[in-house]
Amino acid sequence: GNSVTQMEGPVTLSEEAFLTINCTYTATGYPSLFWYVQYPGEGLQLLLKATKADDKGSNKGFEATYRKETTSFHLEKGSVQVSDSAVYFCALSLNSGGGADGLTFGKGTHLIIQP
Amino acid sequence: NAGVTQTPKFRVLKTGQSMTLLCAQDMNHEYMYWYRQDPGMGLRLIHYSVGEGTTAKGEVPDGYNVSRLKKQNFLLGLESAAPSQTSVYFCASSTWPSSYNEQFFGPGTRLTVL
Repeated sequence: GNSVTQMEGPVTLSEEAFLTINCTYTATGYPSLFWYVQYPGEGLQLLLKATKADDKGSNKGFEATYRKETTSFHLEKGSVQVSDSAVYFCALSLNSGGGADGLTFGKGTHLIIQP
Repeated sequence: NAGVTQTPKFRVLKTGQSMTLLCAQDMNHEYMYWYRQDPGMGLRLIHYSVGEGTTAKGEVPDGYNVSRLKKQNFLLGLESAAPSQTSVYFCASSTWPSSYNEQFFGPGTRLTVL
């Protein structure tokens, strides 16, 4: 079946540190890949996406590159801020023919940024 | 443009009681989804709908029923609540097929079953 594995937290960093959150996937086809962010008490918001191999998604200083050869979609940011503290979810969609099933999510990574 | 809204935000039930969670979207999306979020489990798909009048089972459908009588609304029902259904429930709608299943989420409903 399809699955997403991401590093579990909490991950604690100091402000302005470099961030990497690892994400790898297993899929029976060619998925689209997503990173969602969940701030405390809120729903999930799409952070970035990539729909084919070697695509780079980027938003708000975050980046992730779709690596088919390593089945990975690691999230990076060069300099984190306290406001980036949240839970980050990696997810995939197989866009199965004739319809769209739900997303398959990783378990989430809780990121804590200290001033 | 409110996006995806959910009602109620919080609810406490006793075992065996029933309730309905309402999800509404104003983006004219065809596809809608219900997920549950449990600690350390990520989000898991309960049911989904590909259009008005249609529904399908997801990964964890047992104990839940859904209905999509109007395109903008997707209802999730618990006929006889159990403590194992204590969770945070999220509704989402999708731009599929126009944008690779990019999903938009509501703010969630926190349900506690005693």
